[in-house]
Amino acid sequence: QQQVKQSPQSLIVQKGGISIINCAYENTAFDYFPWYQQFPGKGPALLIAIRPDVSEKKEGRFTISFNKSAKQFSLHIMDSQPGDSATYFCAASNRGGGNKLTFGTGTQLKVEL
Amino acid sequence: DTAVSQTPKYLVTQMGNDKSIKCEQNLGHDTMYWYKQDSKKFLKIMFSYNNKELIINETVPNRFSPKSPDKAHLNLHINSLELGDSAVYFCASSQDDRANEKLFFGSGTQLSVL
Repeated sequence: QQQVKQSPQSLIVQKGGISIINCAYENTAFDYFPWYQQFPGKGPALLIAIRPDVSEKKEGRFTISFNKSAKQFSLHIMDSQPGDSATYFCAASNRGGGNKLTFGTGTQLKVEL
Repeated sequence: DTAVSQTPKYLVTQMGNDKSIKCEQNLGHDTMYWYKQDSKKFLKIMFSYNNKELIINETVPNRFSPKSPDKAHLNLHINSLELGDSAVYFCASSQDDRANEKLFFGSGTQLSVL
């Protein structure tokens, strides 16, 4: 059972463009939605996170948009750079879950010059 | 200093063998985890320990046995290795086991079972 669905599986964006990755969830008990960034040969690292009481969170070039009614959230990377090339994972967890993160399937982003 | 370190980085072994992966964190965190990343990069939690106590135990075959000698260490022992165990295993830690705590991941152990 895939509780967090992520798309696209891969994405190629030109330098300076906007990268958009989408996630949808099923469990309405989820109340924390982080995005993790993973470079080859490394473990995932927290990029940005949002709670459902806000519809948007921005940190530098990275923005999460959250739509509670649609049970969807997305990551926008503005002014994408080659150094952003990595695999991005959305995730979700809920209170009482013991900090158990359910991850999406990942999006491999490549930013071309 | 590496915050979450795991050894070895690569592990190649034959089916049926028993192997261990070690993990240590120097962040002073109370909670540690094991995640498995398969060939399609799907990440799934296996176990979590909070202050040496097992908190999360997903439906993992009992050939996998985690051991936490102290809260800074969480090792993973795998008996009777199978081809399907080939994956990258990540250790992680967080301040505590409350929901929504940031996870700090190690660099992974790539296990190949031949």
